[in-house]
Amino acid sequence: DIQMTQSPSTLSASVGDTVTITCRASQSINSWLAWYQQRPGKAPNLLIYKASSLESGVPSRFSGSGSGTEFILTISSLQPDDFATYFCQQYKTYWTFGQGTKVEIK
Amino acid sequence: EVQLVDSGGGFIQPGRSLILSCRASGFTFADYTMTWVRQAPGKGLEWVGFIRNKADGGTPEFAAPVKGRFTISRDDSKSVAYLQMNSLKTEDTGMYYCTRDSSGPRGPWGQGTLVTVSS
Repeated sequence: DIQMTQSPSTLSASVGDTVTITCRASQSINSWLAWYQQRPGKAPNLLIYKASSLESGVPSRFSGSGSGTEFILTISSLQPDDFATYFCQQYKTYWTFGQGTKVEIK
Repeated sequence: EVQLVDSGGGFIQPGRSLILSCRASGFTFADYTMTWVRQAPGKGLEWVGFIRNKADGGTPEFAAPVKGRFTISRDDSKSVAYLQMNSLKTEDTGMYYCTRDSSGPRGPWGQGTLVTVSS
């Protein structure tokens, strides 16, 4: 099974900050990686697929990079709506999710 | 507009069975693999399983914790996917979401339906 490890688990930031979240795969997944945002009580929302492709309708302040085993989600100029939990997901072999990163207000 | 509506959750005793439904609209349902993901209260996301579209064989795959207890089916004529959960355990408690896949995940997800397994 492919394991996904996210860091950090929690991140404190202010509106306007640029933040990065890292996701590592236990083996190469090429670029078969997605990122999701989940607000409390809501379903996850797809942000990025194929490591760096922005889902339609997602603001351009979200960007993804990486390939192989290491990936990064960057949120530029953090907005109030962005305080939420973020998950990475591999889909090379079935699906596996990272444990999540909560972005909270500093 | 693409929409997935999850339903069928509820409170159920351990060992019993429950069927969840995912009703789709706004896209060609038959072209997509349909996937179920769950989330225990306060926890992360866990892939449950999927059913391939007919062109790819229409077969299901399951995560180890539910293999042999859960089945997934689909009715392309009604644009509905089903998750049949048998021999339910307390650790199956959580929000269950359906979503779609076409060479990778596609948004949006269903709103989720809550399953609580408790005596």
